[in-house]
Formats: sequence, C-alpha cells, structure tokens
Amino acid sequence: NAGVTQTPKFRILKIGQSMTLQCAQDMNHNYMYWYRQDPGMGLKLIYYSVGAGITDKGEVPNGYNVSRSTTEYFPLRLELAAPSQTSVYFCASSYSMNGRLWGYTFGSGTRLTVV
Amino acid sequence: RKEVEQDPGPFNVPEGATVAFNCTYSNSASQSFFWYRQDCRKEPKLLMSVYSSGNEDGRFTAQLNRASQYISLLIRDSKLSDSATYLCVVRSDTGNQFYFGTGTSLTVIP
Repeated sequence: NAGVTQTPKFRILKIGQSMTLQCAQDMNHNYMYWYRQDPGMGLKLIYYSVGAGITDKGEVPNGYNVSRSTTEYFPLRLELAAPSQTSVYFCASSYSMNGRLWGYTFGSGTRLTVV
Repeated sequence: RKEVEQDPGPFNVPEGATVAFNCTYSNSASQSFFWYRQDCRKEPKLLMSVYSSGNEDGRFTAQLNRASQYISLLIRDSKLSDSATYLCVVRSDTGNQFYFGTGTSLTVIP
C-alpha cells in the first residue's frame, strides 16, 4: 500500500492564480482531511470528508474548496491564491469502526508559496 | 478555549536525560488520545496511543489523567534521534474529528 499520496510536493504560485492539490489514498479509508500548517504552528483543519459525496468545513475553510467524488481521491482547490495561503498542506485519512476513528495517516505534504 | 493545549517548549536536554511533556484537553468527553511525532519538514507520524491505564513502549511512557484532563509523555534515556516536535492529539467525543496540539519541540544535545 502506498498509503496517502500527495502531489505536488512543492509549488510556487503567483497571487490570483489557482491550483489543485491532489490527495489519494489506497487504504479504503472513508474519512479524509486537509490540514494546513504554518511555520512553527500547529495543524489547522481546512475541510474533511466522511465519505464519497460528503464534505464539511473545518476550522479555516475560507479560500478553499474540496470535492470527494470517490473514496480514493480528495483534491483541495485554491481559486485565487493569496500570500496568506503560503503554508504546508497535509492530507490525511482514517477509517471508522464502532463509531470511532482509527488508522490516522498523513501524506508527506505539499509546500506552497504564494508570491 | 483551545481543544488541546501544549507547552511549545523548546525543551533542550542532554543525551541520556529524562524529559516529560504534558498536554491538557478541554472536552471531558473526549474519547481517545495519542502522541504523534513530527520531524522537521515532515508529516506527523503516530508515536503511540494513550490508554487509561498508562502504557509503555520502550523508552516512552504515556499516561492519561481523566480527572485533571491531561495526558503526558515521558521519554527516558533521550537519544539524539528523539529530537522532533511532539504533538498531543485528542479524538472528539463525537468520534469524527481529531484535535491536534501545536506541538512541543524537543532537542537532544550531545
């Protein structure tokens, strides 16, 4: 199993550009998440999904959009990039069993710089 | 009030020292607790779960105090390779979210 795979690993965007951060998992996890981590700071939840076709906002959703058309993929879309979105983005997945979450696994991250 | 709070440190300790981190959580109904380790410029990785009775994994001991709503991580005989940021993680009472602390930075000095 590859686990959680994120692409690209690095990206530089100009202000106002758009891009999609890709995330795929091959563990058949029903839960997927997007976090951002600013330098020296903790993880902040952007969006999460409890299954295909279902998404919900996290703590810092403004400026982002997500979709979950299949179990495997959970892309994060930035429509109008702003310098405040310079960060490291982590995708994660987990599965639920007996009403609890297990197997929380992170991708290796995407380092995004907006200039 | 934050769901999870940690002392950010940094903790700078000599090799062989024993170091302990604490973490407090705000929701008394929280279900599960974990410690994650994050190396510089890497993703967080599960270090160990924290069980009510306390648990040990080699040089690492984790404990939970539900009455005071804190969890702890003790590292004995610190190694240079233990240098990292340690994240306290709490699963919500509803079960569908994990809350991460901001992390405690540890540097083990030769």
